[in-house]
Amino acid sequence: QLQLQESGPGLVKPSETLSLTCTVSGVPITSRNYYLGWIRQPPGKGLEWVGSIYYSGSAYYNPSLASRATVLEDTSENQVSLQLRSVTAADTAVYYCARQYLGYYSGSGSPLLYYMDVWGKGTTVTVSS
Amino acid sequence: QSVLTQPPSVSAAPGQKVTISCSAGNSNIGTDFVSWYQHVPGSAPKLLIYDNNKRPSGIPDRFSGSKSGAAATLGITGLQTGDEADYYCATWNSRLSEGWVFGGGTKLTVL
Repeated sequence: QLQLQESGPGLVKPSETLSLTCTVSGVPITSRNYYLGWIRQPPGKGLEWVGSIYYSGSAYYNPSLASRATVLEDTSENQVSLQLRSVTAADTAVYYCARQYLGYYSGSGSPLLYYMDVWGKGTTVTVSS
Repeated sequence: QSVLTQPPSVSAAPGQKVTISCSAGNSNIGTDFVSWYQHVPGSAPKLLIYDNNKRPSGIPDRFSGSKSGAAATLGITGLQTGDEADYYCATWNSRLSEGWVFGGGTKLTVL
């Protein structure tokens, strides 16, 4: 059974880089049918997509975070990671890892993802000095 | 700001029915697939509805989804106290290269 487990430091200083890992157990992340990605929830706010990656390394990002975020996959460790640079207090949130079903590719080569069917329990990150 | 608009809150008594709307406004989600998630704070979000109106295995038929044009709706019948949670709609916006967009979330209170 597929399980996702997020991990990383709970406290990050402003201007530094937030680094999180999502460990996938039960199935290899090299499945052709799924992306893996990160979603966050700041305190008192709703869910916000951060970025998603295919096993081939093709990644997509929230335009508002694209200049600071990098999502990478490590197929040998069956993990996906998130790096968010130059963090501020606004990046304080619970960060979730989620599997995302790939429907098909459009004629332009862009993916169409249909839904997020498996989520991790999330990890809380606080940005503070 | 959310591309998808949801009411901030809805409430109803146990046993009753509620609907939660998800509107795309000026954006066109007419050909996109909408999914719905239940989120109890402190736990992992759960997929309730995918492809506008399909239920994953294990989700009771008290939960239903529909979509018409630029609006989607989640329906919950036979409300239970355990249904109290935040509910989010979401879709992958391929045309605007925005990726996943979520609604702002709706807090369901079972009175």
